[in-house]
Amino acid sequence: QKEVEQNSGPLSVPEGAIASLNCTYSDRGSQSFFWYRQYSGKSPELIMSIYSNGDKEDGRFTAQLNKASQYVSLLIRDSQPSDSATYLCAVQASGGSYIPTFGRGTSLIVHP
Amino acid sequence: NAGVTQTPKFRILKIGQSMTLQCTQDMNHNYMYWYRQDPGMGLKLIYYSVGAGITDKGEVPNGYNVSRSTTEDFPLRLELAAPSQTSVYFCASSTSLQGHWQPQHFGDGTRLSIL
Repeated sequence: QKEVEQNSGPLSVPEGAIASLNCTYSDRGSQSFFWYRQYSGKSPELIMSIYSNGDKEDGRFTAQLNKASQYVSLLIRDSQPSDSATYLCAVQASGGSYIPTFGRGTSLIVHP
Repeated sequence: NAGVTQTPKFRILKIGQSMTLQCTQDMNHNYMYWYRQDPGMGLKLIYYSVGAGITDKGEVPNGYNVSRSTTEDFPLRLELAAPSQTSVYFCASSTSLQGHWQPQHFGDGTRLSIL
């Protein structure tokens, strides 16, 4: 059973702080890793994809991948109230693994 | 570029009625998926398709049916609606490039209530 674990939260951070969201996964064959943001009542939207060990930065967002330890994280710098949402981690193995495994999401609250 | 389009956005059904949730994508993606998401919960896969004419069950297929006659369209059929099927339904599509899975593109969802 492939599993993706996330702390459900809520994670509460003050505006301007760094929010750190973590995700662990069980399938060592995982090759593709995604972070989605989901606002209440809306559909998930992609924040970051990462495929190689290390860090990947895009604006205020940094994804970090460590395949040996089987975790992937998302850092949000200079957090804004508009970042308040649920963040979903998704993991997918290569080859014929057609179905990504989603975590249940971490709720982030950025308070002014 | 519309991406993934779902219709209707909202629907109320009576117990025992049937309906089809429509999903179409214009990105020429081979892979399409139907999820349901209950309040405060994660995504649960209902059915998926790897190409026209090929579908398979996901985690929670009971009470649903799908078909994939074209690359673009992947409708979800509810037969004999039950209150337990009250949920938000998301359609998604994706593709693979050079051996790497690309992220899923989601439609805006259909909010379905069974009364």
